[in-house]
Amino acid sequence: ETGVTQTPRHLVMGMTNKKSLKCEQHLGHNAMYWYKQSAKKPLELMFVYNFKEQTENNSVPSRFSPECPNSSHLFLHLHTLQPEDSALYLCASSQDQPTNEKLFFGSGTQLSVL
Amino acid sequence: AQSVTQLGSHVSVSEGALVLLRCNYSSSVPPYLFWYVQYPNQGLQLLLKYTTGATLVKGINGFEAEFKKSETSFHLTKPSAHMSDAAEYFCAVTLSGAGSYQLTFGKGTKLSVIP
Repeated sequence: ETGVTQTPRHLVMGMTNKKSLKCEQHLGHNAMYWYKQSAKKPLELMFVYNFKEQTENNSVPSRFSPECPNSSHLFLHLHTLQPEDSALYLCASSQDQPTNEKLFFGSGTQLSVL
Repeated sequence: AQSVTQLGSHVSVSEGALVLLRCNYSSSVPPYLFWYVQYPNQGLQLLLKYTTGATLVKGINGFEAEFKKSETSFHLTKPSAHMSDAAEYFCAVTLSGAGSYQLTFGKGTKLSVIP
């Protein structure tokens, strides 16, 4: 148990659906992240929030929309996804800037887009 | 910019044998280097990290890694493999200095341990 909880663990959705991924941490961390993990590819950083403010958006398509209502919760809203968006989506948190900080990862949401 | 190359997407070792997982990096400034492990159906966990100081870093579960600047390498080793070490291992690099959120990961190496 890392202290970072992601729900749901598995999600199957059609290309026209709208769904949301949820991440929660009670570690008192100030920074939260969304990563995408696809087979045979490096982890891709999608978004970073620090003190609830978005600080990084790595050219992610607008069909992915993050939301950080407070330092403990992070959402990823999904709409009109494509089959190539199927992947494991990992949430992580760290105390502050991650340059030399340990990241704490959740177990991920395995997303399948049909 | 920085990048990471992990040589070998899949490594198999016998139980009790030496584990060696290779990682080479490129970085324009002194790097911070990390190894993470991912067990099946779980997120990543930090094994060890190098920031400054001693170049041989010891981590959890008996793993260690050595930062070799001249070789731009940060290979992960363990003297004797256990069945429980079977997992996927990721090397990662970020730039030293304030303000960087870009932790760049390698593609991962899946370690199998043969009884």
